[in-house]
Amino acid sequence: KAGVTQTPRYLIKTRGQQVTLSCSPISGHRSVSWYQQTPGQGLQFLFEYFSETQRNKGNFPGRFSGRQFSNSRSEMNVSTLELGDSALYLCASSLGQGISYEQYFGPGTRLTVT
Amino acid sequence: DQQVKQNSPSLSVQEGRISILNCDYTNSMFDYFLWYKKYPAEGPTFLISISSIKDKNEDGRFTVFLNKSAKHLSLHIVPSQPGDSAVYFCAATGANNLFFGTGTRLTVIP
Repeated sequence: KAGVTQTPRYLIKTRGQQVTLSCSPISGHRSVSWYQQTPGQGLQFLFEYFSETQRNKGNFPGRFSGRQFSNSRSEMNVSTLELGDSALYLCASSLGQGISYEQYFGPGTRLTVT
Repeated sequence: DQQVKQNSPSLSVQEGRISILNCDYTNSMFDYFLWYKKYPAEGPTFLISISSIKDKNEDGRFTVFLNKSAKHLSLHIVPSQPGDSAVYFCAATGANNLFFGTGTRLTVIP
């Protein structure tokens, strides 16, 4: 069974631009969560989507948004990029809804904002 | 404000011995705790979890202990193997949010 895939793997954007990252969960998984990993803040939870609805949300500003499609694929959007948004963005999927259960992570998208 | 803390950034253990990774948390409302391990250039991999209503959960070589009164959990790996060398993150859920510690790098020496 194929794992979680994320595209693109690497991205360079300029401050003020917006970016969209994509995540395809493991087949049959209906929950997709997004995380940001930086050297300073570590791994931080952004939000979780299940059945096309946001179910849980971390402490990030509204510039960070997401959506989930009927096939469970998810996209994350960051608007008005700031230098501090440079990070590894990880996506994870799980069978059921909720962030307390086993999640399977993708390799991440490395975003650099210049 | 770090709600989940891993105060030891690194730990070295001889192969075959026990590895004990520690994690402290501040929020008594956390209801579920998880451990993940991460190899370089890969996403984290789920290891083991424990509900706040339990004090121990075991899965093969991995055992997690939860001490709610001390707001402390630990992961025991017995026996440690060189393939266990990775960064280990503890995490806690509560109020629809998930909080991670900063990680402990475990090195198992052959």
